[in-house]
Amino acid sequence: LAKTTQPISMDSYEGQEVNITCSHNNIATNDYITWYQQFPSQGPRFIIQGYKTKVTNEVASLFIPADRKSSTLSLPRVSLSDTAVYYCLVGFRIWNSNSGYALNFGKGTSLLVTP
Amino acid sequence: DAGITQSPRHKVTETGTPVTLRCHQTENHRYMYWYRQDPGHGLRLIHYSYGVKDTDKGEVSDGYSVSRSKTEDFLLTLESATSSQTSVYFCAISRETHGYTFGSGTRLTVV
Repeated sequence: LAKTTQPISMDSYEGQEVNITCSHNNIATNDYITWYQQFPSQGPRFIIQGYKTKVTNEVASLFIPADRKSSTLSLPRVSLSDTAVYYCLVGFRIWNSNSGYALNFGKGTSLLVTP
Repeated sequence: DAGITQSPRHKVTETGTPVTLRCHQTENHRYMYWYRQDPGHGLRLIHYSYGVKDTDKGEVSDGYSVSRSKTEDFLLTLESATSSQTSVYFCAISRETHGYTFGSGTRLTVV
C-alpha cells in the first residue's frame, strides 16, 4: 500500500479556508486518493475521492497535480464543527473490482477550529 | 451507520483468553474490512474479505484471524488476547461511490 504523509495537526479560525496537503510519492497508476473525516468516538466518514485534477462536492474540494504525488483537501469557510481528524488515503481496487479497496489510513491531520 | 452493526460495543477481557468481535451488515456488500485504531498510529488494516470464505491479511494481521461464512457477517478473532491488542476496532464495508462506510467501533480492553 502506498505511504502517505500529512501534517500531524493544523489550527484555523472559523470562516477561514483550510488546505491540508498530503504527499504520496509512490502512488501507483491504479491508485485513487480519498479523504475521510473522523470525530471522536466515531468511525471515519467519507469526504471526497479523486484520481486526477480537481474534484468538488458540497463539502470540500480535492486538488491533484498532474504527477499525482500529492493532493490537497480544501475546506471552505470552516466552522467549529469541522474540528476533526482528516485522513488522506491511497488505495487500489481489489481484483479490478469497482467497489473493493484496501486502504492505508495513516495517522491523519488533527484540525482544530476556534472562534 | 449504513446498516453496519458491530458487537459488542465494549469489552474487557483477560490476557490469554479468546475474543471474537462481530461485524454485521444488511446491504449485501461484497467487501468488508477490520481496522484497529490506536493513539499515534491512526487506523491500521488488520484483515479484509472480498467474499464468503475469501479473506486476506492487512498491515497488522499477526495475532488475529477472521472468518466470513455468510455475506452479512465478518468475524474477527483474537485467539489469545494480549495487552497490545487493547484498541478500538472498526469494521467497514466499501461501496463504489462513497468509499468506506464504518461501523461505530468496538472498544476492547485486555487486562
